[in-house]
Amino acid sequence: GAVVSQHPSRVICKSGTSVKIECRSLDFQATTMFWYRQFPKQSLMLMATSNEGSKATYEQGVEKDKFLINHASLTLSTLTVTSAHPEDSSFYICSASRAGDYYEQYFGPGTRLTVT
Amino acid sequence: GENVEQHPSTLSVQEGDSAVIKCTYSDSASNYFPWYKQELGKRPQLIIDIRSNVGEKKDQRIAVTLNKTAKHFSLHITETQPEDSAVYFCAASMLSGGYNKLIFGAGTRLAVHP
Repeated sequence: GAVVSQHPSRVICKSGTSVKIECRSLDFQATTMFWYRQFPKQSLMLMATSNEGSKATYEQGVEKDKFLINHASLTLSTLTVTSAHPEDSSFYICSASRAGDYYEQYFGPGTRLTVT
Repeated sequence: GENVEQHPSTLSVQEGDSAVIKCTYSDSASNYFPWYKQELGKRPQLIIDIRSNVGEKKDQRIAVTLNKTAKHFSLHITETQPEDSAVYFCAASMLSGGYNKLIFGAGTRLAVHP
């Protein structure tokens, strides 16, 4: 159990366009979801945290108007990269935690975004 | 805020040898310390974790030790195999805004040579 999926797995978009990435918990209800960004050969950097039905909490330095997060239900969170630029090209990974366990996070397979 | 330092950044061992990766953290309130293995282009995979009420935990060839006083924890892999080659990340929990966030170390690239 505790499977998290992401869609799409890879996406290429043109500079200036927007891209939406979906994160779903398939077999549990995710009380909290997290979005990370990982540049090549670097660590995971937390971008934002969200609870279902409430506004996301963004980490310092992450532009909330550029990275829109919607946690619409207990099984779905979306990240929209607006007006994407080449420097937004990265590996975006979501994770989810479930009720009753405040610590363990279950990671999605990641989305490789390339902005041309 | 929490800061997690991880050493070494790269580690090369011969098959069958042991590998040790060390992390230190700054937030004394941290109480959950997971270790992840990540292969290229894949999701981080939890390999072992430890909570602050325990000093050591072992799962077959993998063990983690925690010293809360010194604020450091270590991953020990014994009898390494080529398939252990990957990037390993430590992390420490941090309570912020009502959420338990994870702060990751910079990672260790482990190469196990046959």
